[in-house]
Amino acid sequence: QPQLVQSETEVKKAGASVKVTCKASGYTFTTYSFTWVRQAPGQGLEWLGWVSVNNNKTNYAQKFQGRIMLTTDTSTSTAYMELTSLRFDDTAVYYCAAGAAYWGQGTLVTVSS
Amino acid sequence: SYELTQPPSVSVSPGQTARITCSGDALPKKYVYWYQQKSGQAPVLVIYEDIKRHSAIPERFSGSTSGTLATLTISGAQLEDEADYYCYSTDSSGNQSVFGGGTKLTVL
Repeated sequence: QPQLVQSETEVKKAGASVKVTCKASGYTFTTYSFTWVRQAPGQGLEWLGWVSVNNNKTNYAQKFQGRIMLTTDTSTSTAYMELTSLRFDDTAVYYCAAGAAYWGQGTLVTVSS
Repeated sequence: SYELTQPPSVSVSPGQTARITCSGDALPKKYVYWYQQKSGQAPVLVIYEDIKRHSAIPERFSGSTSGTLATLTISGAQLEDEADYYCYSTDSSGNQSVFGGGTKLTVL
């Protein structure tokens, strides 16, 4: 059974960067692409982008173009999401998902002054 | 930018049928996925590729599409089905994915 374990809570200053990790286990890592999603407090789900494990091809939500980078490392079965130039409204729980069905537990990123 | 439109809330009594809709211009050409999210938890895949029920999801959950409208139906809703439900799909180019705004299902 695939399992995704994400990194712990992050607290960052406005203008800084954050990198969230998503460690996969229980399946062949190259089977699924990774999707990243976030959820601001009390709000709905927001798609951030997608990365192919096989060729690292990416597709980012237009809103985050230039500020987000999604990568994978097949040697460690880990996916990464880096978001730069953090703003207060980037405060959210960030999720990784392998394929459509397998999700991490979420990582809270808080952006403060 | 592409949008999927869901009703903010749906309310049914236990045992009744709940229908949650999702409207989007590209739905005739693109698959829709449905997720259930309970408070404080990660989303759970319920329906994929319009009509396929994910493993371990009860048979009372079903998906259907007609033109630009997708529907998640819960036949005989249970108290444990109270949650937020989100549809998910892509625009006609396949490059931009999006979630609907979510529907809060109340069973009481």
